[in-house]
Amino acid sequence: ETGVTQTPRHLVMGMTNKKSLKCEQHLGHNAMYWYKQSAKKPLELMFVYSLEERVENNSVPSRFSPECPNSSHLFLHLHTLQPEDSALYLCASSQVLRTEYEQYFGPGTRLTVT
Amino acid sequence: GQNIDQPTEMTATEGAIVQINCTYQTSGFNGLFWYQQHAGEAPTFLSYNVLDGLEEKGRFSSFLSRSKGYSYLLLKELQMKDSASYLCAVRDETGKLIFGQGTTLQVKP
Repeated sequence: ETGVTQTPRHLVMGMTNKKSLKCEQHLGHNAMYWYKQSAKKPLELMFVYSLEERVENNSVPSRFSPECPNSSHLFLHLHTLQPEDSALYLCASSQVLRTEYEQYFGPGTRLTVT
Repeated sequence: GQNIDQPTEMTATEGAIVQINCTYQTSGFNGLFWYQQHAGEAPTFLSYNVLDGLEEKGRFSSFLSRSKGYSYLLLKELQMKDSASYLCAVRDETGKLIFGQGTTLQVKP
């Protein structure tokens, strides 16, 4: 595996379910990010981790809970979501936080909340 | 507030040249990125500008004017595979990437 991978690619869940999104980067990067991409809206930064420590939480509701057990893996735990949370969730990584280095994105998880 | 503006949609002909504009108003500036995103795929990095001027990379070039809060992405010799969304993003003073909503480019034969 190379680059940034995300599983699952598609997820349908009810509002009372609990599920988790997984992201893995094979690039040796030290920073990882979660973004939300809704139709006709800009990418929204949700969480930032640097060296496994959360450095930013962008006013995201508590029904989204991130976890970074090591520098290669990032999870987004979901519970009691709302239909408006349906979106594409993208994971990204970069070599170092807050530099000119570009972010590498995974293919995303298309989430539908019913 | 933070604001990045791009046209929503553009159409161009195969073989032609197209320019996608981006204007920004952000709290601080630490560089501007362009990404390409095909439908259902991950955004991929195209270019980075931090100083004024033109950066050329094959068929793609990106221009920046910091005093005007303006950038453009120039695509030459358009190919059908260039049909995609093009995302402009500015790194603000905190280091956060602020994205525009993207420009969907359709290339027609």
